[in-house]
Amino acid sequence: EDQVTQSPEALRLQEGESSSLNCSYTVSGLRGLFWYRQDPGKGPEFLFTLYSAGEEKEKERLKATLTKKESFLHITAPKPEDSATYLCAVQASYNQGGKLIFGQGTELSVKP
Amino acid sequence: ETGVTQTPRHLVMGMTNKKSLKCEQHLGHNAMYWYKQSAKKPLELMFVYNFKEQTENNSVPSRFSPECPNSSHLFLHLHTLQPEDSALYLCASSLGAGLAGVGETQYFGPGTRLLVL
Repeated sequence: EDQVTQSPEALRLQEGESSSLNCSYTVSGLRGLFWYRQDPGKGPEFLFTLYSAGEEKEKERLKATLTKKESFLHITAPKPEDSATYLCAVQASYNQGGKLIFGQGTELSVKP
Repeated sequence: ETGVTQTPRHLVMGMTNKKSLKCEQHLGHNAMYWYKQSAKKPLELMFVYNFKEQTENNSVPSRFSPECPNSSHLFLHLHTLQPEDSALYLCASSLGAGLAGVGETQYFGPGTRLLVL
């Protein structure tokens, strides 16, 4: 069964304290792994798409990496405005319907 | 308007009411999706439409009825809902659903917060 697990469930950081969020997945062939940011009461905001192991993408203080079993979202010197829930999702290669399988998210809180 | 828009943003309805959620995408995409997000649970796919045709129904109860009149608009018709249907309903769109060999990024709207009394 395809599955996505994110850890930790919640993470509290001080401003400037770098850390990483983990997304472990099991899927029968990976077409893509997606990271989203979601603020309370809003829809998910797209961050990154990764397609193959070894791929990395960066945006401001965020860097996403991908291996054959997991993805990491590295946050360097975070600021309070980075506080949000970060969602990871995968799309399986056998699935021709565009279905995304989501993890439960990591709630990040950055204190000044 | 840009991106994906949803109306209404908030909705309160009784169990005997009939209401509809509307989604519109301004991205030139061909696939649209409905997701349900309940508290402390992962996003759950409900329906997929590709070029106006429904390609996936994820075992959704018949009290939820989707409609896709064209590639830019998607509706979710609601009737005789239950309190456990209270959730954030999200619409998303992508270039296509199922393009061979390509992982397609989905872009989400702001959601409709639904409360069923």
